[in-house]
Amino acid sequence: DAGVIQSPRHEVTEMGQEVTLRCKPISGHNSLFWYRQTMMRGLELLIYFNNNVPIDDSGMPEDRFSAKMPNASFSTLKIQPSEPRDSAVYFCASSPTGASPRGTFGSGTRLTVV
Amino acid sequence: SQQGEEDPQALSIQEGENATMNCSYKTSINNLQWYRQNSGRGLVHLILIRSNEREKHSGRLRVTLDTSKKSSSLLITASRAADTASYFCATWPQGGSEKLVFGKGTKLTVNP
Repeated sequence: DAGVIQSPRHEVTEMGQEVTLRCKPISGHNSLFWYRQTMMRGLELLIYFNNNVPIDDSGMPEDRFSAKMPNASFSTLKIQPSEPRDSAVYFCASSPTGASPRGTFGSGTRLTVV
Repeated sequence: SQQGEEDPQALSIQEGENATMNCSYKTSINNLQWYRQNSGRGLVHLILIRSNEREKHSGRLRVTLDTSKKSSSLLITASRAADTASYFCATWPQGGSEKLVFGKGTKLTVNP
């Protein structure tokens, strides 16, 4: 298995533009998590899905952020419109549903909004 | 909010020395996990300790858990330059959620 695959690895965009981050979880993992990492705030959970259904989106900072999981093998995190304070590394992680969540992380997308 | 809080925030040691990192948390947990992150990469799961366990070993890693103090420690013995990374604790709180809650990490530098 290739692990959790995220794209793009790097994204530079102008303020106000729409940004879409993509994630392919590990096959067979039922839970998918989107995290944001910054120096100031550390690793923050934005949203997580179980069996493609959003379970907890309380970490989504505001309405400019949205996430979807149309099927078990694909998820997107969209920011519209983007702002400079959205600059961060965004990680996707997946986990098998079971006795304990144990995240397998992708390599992340480094987003820079100028 | 971040439940796990690691200390120290940064640690610099010489190769061959032991490195100890601590994690404190606030609520009751099902388990606690340690992850490692190399610069520019995603987090990698290292070890999991359940709430009814007190100590666990994996290779050069030793993890302890004190639920009465709501704290855990990660010991890396005989450190190597390749151990240079950030280390995060993550707690799985009791309550049915599948959310892991991460601390801000300890940045470990092992000097050759």
